[in-house]
Amino acid sequence: GAVVSQHPSWVICKSGTSVKIECRSLDFQATTMFWYRQFPKQSLMLMATSNEGSKATYEQGVEKDKFLINHASLTLSTLTVTSAHPEDSSFYICSATTNSYQPQHFGDGTRLSIL
Amino acid sequence: AQSVAQPEDQVNVAEGNPLTVKCTYSVSGNPYLFWYVQYPNRGLQFLLKYITGDNLVKGSYGFEAEFNKSQTSFHLKKPSALVSDSALYFCAVRDSTDKLIFGTGTRLQVFP
Repeated sequence: GAVVSQHPSWVICKSGTSVKIECRSLDFQATTMFWYRQFPKQSLMLMATSNEGSKATYEQGVEKDKFLINHASLTLSTLTVTSAHPEDSSFYICSATTNSYQPQHFGDGTRLSIL
Repeated sequence: AQSVAQPEDQVNVAEGNPLTVKCTYSVSGNPYLFWYVQYPNRGLQFLLKYITGDNLVKGSYGFEAEFNKSQTSFHLKKPSALVSDSALYFCAVRDSTDKLIFGTGTRLQVFP
């Protein structure tokens, strides 16, 4: 149980392209989803928290116009990296949870490479 | 502010030997602590959590962790390491806004 599917797993695209990453909770309803960014050999950096049906809460320093988050249903959240540039290249990971006392369950991540 | 420290960047252990991955925390109030494991190019997998109750928490794949309030520690342990346990391990604490604060990670290398 508690499976989170993240798609795509790998994206390579040209600079200026917008890229959408999907995060789905397959067997549970996720009231809250989180988006993280992980640089090589570093820990996870929380980018934003999204609750179903409401606007995402972004962490300090994260551009909300750059990283658009939509949490349209209890099983789906999307992250769109708009007009991506090489510095946006990273490993993006989503997680989902039913409540704060339960563990977050993570997707397998999306490796984004901007040429 | 809540924080988590993992003092070791890497831990090396021979297969069959016991392993310990250290974690200390700083929180105001009761700590909610978690351990996750990450394999290359994968997301994090939940191993175990401490919310309340017994100080020794048993989790997935034979791992366990001991909550020590006086030492503010939550070390991850396994009695007998496997080569397949080699991975990156993260300790995390839930902060007052329900977010997870992660440690910097410890790479576990188990040698045959």
